[in-house]
Amino acid sequence: SAVISQKPSRDICQRGTSLTIQCQVDSQVTMMFWYRQQPGQSLTLIATANQGSEATYESGFVIDKFPISRPNLTFSTLTVSNMSPEDSSIYLCSVCSVASSGRYEQYFGPGTRLTVT
Amino acid sequence: ELKVEQNPLFLSMQEGKNYTIYCNYSTTSDRLYWYRQDPGKSLESLFVLLSNGAVKQEGRLMASLDTKARLSTLHITAAVHDLSATYFCAVETSGSRLTFGEGTQLTVNP
Repeated sequence: SAVISQKPSRDICQRGTSLTIQCQVDSQVTMMFWYRQQPGQSLTLIATANQGSEATYESGFVIDKFPISRPNLTFSTLTVSNMSPEDSSIYLCSVCSVASSGRYEQYFGPGTRLTVT
Repeated sequence: ELKVEQNPLFLSMQEGKNYTIYCNYSTTSDRLYWYRQDPGKSLESLFVLLSNGAVKQEGRLMASLDTKARLSTLHITAAVHDLSATYFCAVETSGSRLTFGEGTQLTVNP
């Protein structure tokens, strides 16, 4: 299984500013994903980040608002730009990795809790 | 557009009782996940169901998948307080993208 870390674990930001969230994996993975969990809600996929190509965004999410970098096979960043209170959420990265069973599974990082005031 | 629906959304149980959480989805998929989330925490993977008729059990939890009915169930046997959490099902589609259900908030009362 993959071990995923995220920085920062939480932050409080002022509206209009931007925050970059880092995701680090302990092994090389092809696909990384960024999800958002709004307060009391389920998870929604923001984008898929593959190394060496542009991120693929889901409907309702755009690159100008959520630029993503994927410089190598173990690291990715998500920036939340020009923040508003509606961006207050938990942001989670996830990866596909091979489990002890031999099959691949999807694992989630600990999340970044963002509050925008 | 894929829709994933869980029910119930809220479940309050007494310890020792049995109950089932249902997860219905609207399009074909061969891979379904169940996750647990404790308050303020990330997601913990419980089960990955890969094929029709798959059944997996871990402790007091058992998950099954019927791909023809597009239905998965998470059965809780003899619930204990430690099982209190929110449970999500998630359906995998092309590109390993996950679509999540709304979540079932389970409270097990002594």
